[in-house]
Amino acid sequence: DTGVSQDPRHKITKRGQNVTFRCDPISEHNRLYWYRQTLGQGPEFLTYFQNEAQLEKSRLLSDRFSAERPKGSFSTLEIQRTEQGDSAMYLCASSPGLAGGRRYNEQFFGPGTRLTVL
Amino acid sequence: KQEVTQIPAALSVPEGENLVLNCSFTDSAIYNLQWFRQDPGKGLTSLLLIQSSQREQTSGRLNASLDKSSGRSTLYIAASQPGDSATYLCAVRLEYGNKLVFGAGTILRVKS
Repeated sequence: DTGVSQDPRHKITKRGQNVTFRCDPISEHNRLYWYRQTLGQGPEFLTYFQNEAQLEKSRLLSDRFSAERPKGSFSTLEIQRTEQGDSAMYLCASSPGLAGGRRYNEQFFGPGTRLTVL
Repeated sequence: KQEVTQIPAALSVPEGENLVLNCSFTDSAIYNLQWFRQDPGKGLTSLLLIQSSQREQTSGRLNASLDKSSGRSTLYIAASQPGDSATYLCAVRLEYGNKLVFGAGTILRVKS
């Protein structure tokens, strides 16, 4: 169990550019979540996958944001035409689902990707 | 809409002190509550998860309680150490849906 990994850890981009982040969940975790955290606040939910199906999306996820989880393994979060307001820490989490026994819905977080939009 | 509030926003204590962090939530229809630790610039580490049917969970020097009907949870840290310095976040999962709703956190500093 190597934990949730995210890449890159830091990203600096200019306004208007597109960026893509990757998340690799804990092996055999079938549930994957994306959150966004701004300074001094708790994380806010963006979207949720069960296997490859995107089952829930927040209203925070504007048309410029898209997330995928092909084949139910890793996930990508893309932000198009970035804005300064997109600057935040983007966190990925996974949970085991029913295979996880008593802890089936406990969410385990990755180290995050810090995005700075200039 | 579920809202989660954590009090105090910041806390500074001398090493060895026992302390309590508070979390309250407005909608009691929760599935579980999870306490996390976050070090500066890092991701979240899960500390304790309490299912809605449980009253408390313990792990080492940490004890978390849940009073679902009153919408409250507390995290008790015994014999605090400088290494406990971090931001502590509580989050609730609603009965409907899978997302976690977080509080803004309590910034804890334990002085040696």
